[in-house]
Amino acid sequence: AIRMTQSPSSVSASAGDKVTITCRASQGISTYFAWYQQKPGKAPKLLIYAASTLESGVPSRFSGSGSGTDFTLTISGLQSDDFATYYCQQYYSYPRTFGQGTKVEIK
Amino acid sequence: EVQLSESGGGLVPPGGSLRLSCTTSGFTFNNYAMNWVRQAPGRGLEWVSLTSHSGDTRYYADSVKGRFTISRDNSNSTLYLHLTSLRAEDTAVYFCAKGPRSGNYYNSWGQGTLVTVSS
Repeated sequence: AIRMTQSPSSVSASAGDKVTITCRASQGISTYFAWYQQKPGKAPKLLIYAASTLESGVPSRFSGSGSGTDFTLTISGLQSDDFATYYCQQYYSYPRTFGQGTKVEIK
Repeated sequence: EVQLSESGGGLVPPGGSLRLSCTTSGFTFNNYAMNWVRQAPGRGLEWVSLTSHSGDTRYYADSVKGRFTISRDNSNSTLYLHLTSLRAEDTAVYFCAKGPRSGNYYNSWGQGTLVTVSS
């Protein structure tokens, strides 16, 4: 199975900050890659697919980049609604696998 | 509006069985692959299984292969997950999820149903 490793595991930031989360795949996955946001007690929400395509309705302060093994989620101008846990996922092969999550906390 | 709603979770002893259901509406069910994803308490997301739109093709996580069975009833727009030989480590909230027709990523999720495996 392809292992997805996110860093950092958690980050403390203030509203207005720029936050960058990275995800590394254990083998090349082209751009078969997605990012999700999850808040406590809620289902995950798709933010980005195909590594850099913003899902409909997702604010433009979210952006994604990368291909192959290294990927980045950037939140430009953190807002109070963005404090949550973020997960990456590969859909290059089965089994589908997620990263362990990155918690974005209020500083 | 796409809606997914899971049911069937509960408390089950180790070695027991359970069937989860996911009722759907708002889209043409038989055109889409469907998935189950789970989340153990305080842990991350784990993909469990996928069924193709027809049900002919199924994939499973290694952790559940041989114990869980995914199925679907296209006439009733319902997805199922049959869980057998349950273990404590299967304790989790189970979500059904759909995405584009291929089912590669997931832009619609249910609210989840909790399965607790304990004696």
